[in-house]
Amino acid sequence: GQQLNQSPQSMFIQEGEDVSMNCTSSSIFNTWLWYKQDPGEGPVLLIALYKAGELTSNGRLTAQFGITRKDSFLNISASIPSDVGIYFCAGLISGSTLGRLYFGRGTQLTVWP
Amino acid sequence: EPEVTQTPSHQVTQMGQEVILRCVPISNHLYFYWYRQILGQKVEFLVSFYNNEISEKSEIFDDQFSVERPDGSNFTLKIRSTKLEDSAMYFCASRGTSGSGNEQFFGPGTRLTVL
Repeated sequence: GQQLNQSPQSMFIQEGEDVSMNCTSSSIFNTWLWYKQDPGEGPVLLIALYKAGELTSNGRLTAQFGITRKDSFLNISASIPSDVGIYFCAGLISGSTLGRLYFGRGTQLTVWP
Repeated sequence: EPEVTQTPSHQVTQMGQEVILRCVPISNHLYFYWYRQILGQKVEFLVSFYNNEISEKSEIFDDQFSVERPDGSNFTLKIRSTKLEDSAMYFCASRGTSGSGNEQFFGPGTRLTVL
């Protein structure tokens, strides 16, 4: 199956710092989605991207759809303790209309006060 | 705000038993999905469902699995004879109409433990 390489696997940062994580794929995607998952809960959608080069913000979160359509990154500015959790990228392969999402392995974010 | 709901939140069963996991998707959504997440691993696609039939399934979704939309609101996943390796979190997700984008909204999950 498709592999999404998400990095870093984990991050330990101080409150107030900025964070960046990214995903790369060997296939062309037509949609990139970023989710956050808290322990024992379902993934919560943060940002959706649909066009190559698109840059979208949601509060302190900014995500971009890579020009090659094979990558995406997520930035979190001025991190706060409630940003703690696992962040997943997910993508929809170009040409797919049925909506099967492929997920990265996640980035575990820890924020120290 | 509308959300996907799932019941039960936790299901414990004996190996070989049948389980049914239930989901109520967002009410005006048309596309429905089941995913699973083994502890500590990534989320994996199982099956998609549209217009009252399966539209795609993964290699995980073998003959032991089935899905059904028995009425206008519920969407179920049945595992006929559970195995130890079926232990995982199972997430239901739904998506709106084709014109509303590819955003999938996930439920809180059912933790399935097979003993």
